[in-house]
Formats: sequence, structure tokens, C-alpha cells
Amino acid sequence: NAGVTQTPKFQVLKTGQSMTLQCAQDMNHNSMYWYRQDPGMGLRLIYYSASEGTTDKGEVPNGYNVSRLNKREFSLRLESAAPSQTSVYFCASTGRGLDEQYFGPGTRLTVT
Amino acid sequence: QKEVEQNSGPLSVPEGAIASLNCTYSDRGSQSFFWYRQYSGKSPELIMFIYSNGDKEDGRFTAQLNKASQYVSLLIRDSQPSDSATYLCAVNNRDTGRRALTFGSGTRLQVQP
Repeated sequence: NAGVTQTPKFQVLKTGQSMTLQCAQDMNHNSMYWYRQDPGMGLRLIYYSASEGTTDKGEVPNGYNVSRLNKREFSLRLESAAPSQTSVYFCASTGRGLDEQYFGPGTRLTVT
Repeated sequence: QKEVEQNSGPLSVPEGAIASLNCTYSDRGSQSFFWYRQYSGKSPELIMFIYSNGDKEDGRFTAQLNKASQYVSLLIRDSQPSDSATYLCAVNNRDTGRRALTFGSGTRLQVQP
């Protein structure tokens, strides 16, 4: 099992460009999450999907959209990147009836 | 007030000592509590979780929970240089319907050889 995988690992964008971060899990988990991590800020929730077909906003959703493509995959889209979106992005998942979350390796995004 | 508070550190301990990491939380309805370890440039890795008041031991790690004081701690016995990392505390309140965790900003631990 690969667990939670994310692509790409690194990305540099210019202001105004768009991109999609991909996340997939092979643990048959129901819930998936996108967080961003900035120095001194800890992990902040952007969006989550409690189950296939549902998505909800987290703490910092502005500037992002998500798609729960199927049970395995949960993507995060930046429509018009801004320098404030420079961060490390982590995807996580958790199984039914559980609270423990398991994280992917992260995507380091720089917006210039 | 932050929902989950941790001292940012660094907490420096000598090799072989006990490292004590602390976390307080503001939501009195919080029900599940987690400790993640994060090495520099890596993703958070779950090392302990605790749901009930008291202590829970796993190898060199002990998690302690006191819901009345809204306080959770992590003890690392016989600290090793490989324990040097940032430790993130996270909590969840299932009654809110939101399955996501709320994280503290982490405590950086340095174990000196």
C-alpha cells in the first residue's frame, strides 16, 4: 500500500496562473482533507470531504476549489494563484468511524 | 485565543532524558487527541492518540490527558537524537459534525547527543 500520495512534489507558479494538486489514497478511507502549512501557523484546513460526493469548506477556503473525483481521489485547484498561497500543501485521509488522519508527503508551492 | 496552544520551543533536552511536551485546548467538547511528529521537510506522522482521561503508553511514548484542565501532554522517555523534530498536538470534537482535526503550531524538540 502506498498510503496517501500527492503530485506534484514541488511547483512554481506565476501570479494569476492556475493549477491542480492531486491526492489519492489506497486505504479505502471515506474522508479526505486538504491542509496548508505556513511557518509558525501550524496546519490549517482548506477543504474536506467527509465522504464521496460531499465537500465542505474549512478554515481558509478562499482562492481554492476542490473535487472529490471518487472515493480514492481528492483534488485541490487554485484558479488564479497569488503570492499569499505560497505554502506547503498536505492531503490527509481517515477511515469510517475513526479520527486518526494519515498524511501524504506534501506539495511545496511557490507563487512569484 | 488559539484553539490549540503549544509552546513553540525549541525544547532542548540531553540524550537519555525525558522530554515533556504540553498542549492546551479551548473547546471543552473535544473528544479525541493526537500527537504527530514532523521532521523538517516531511509530512506529519501520527505517533499517539488518546480518548480517555489518564495515561496511555506506547514504547517510549506516554500521552497524558486531563479533560478537566483541558490539557494533553506527551512524554518521551530515553530521548534520542532521532527524536529531534516538531511535535504537533491536534484535537477533534466529533459532535460538531466536522471530522477534521484542529492543530497547534507545534513544539520543536532538540535532543542533544
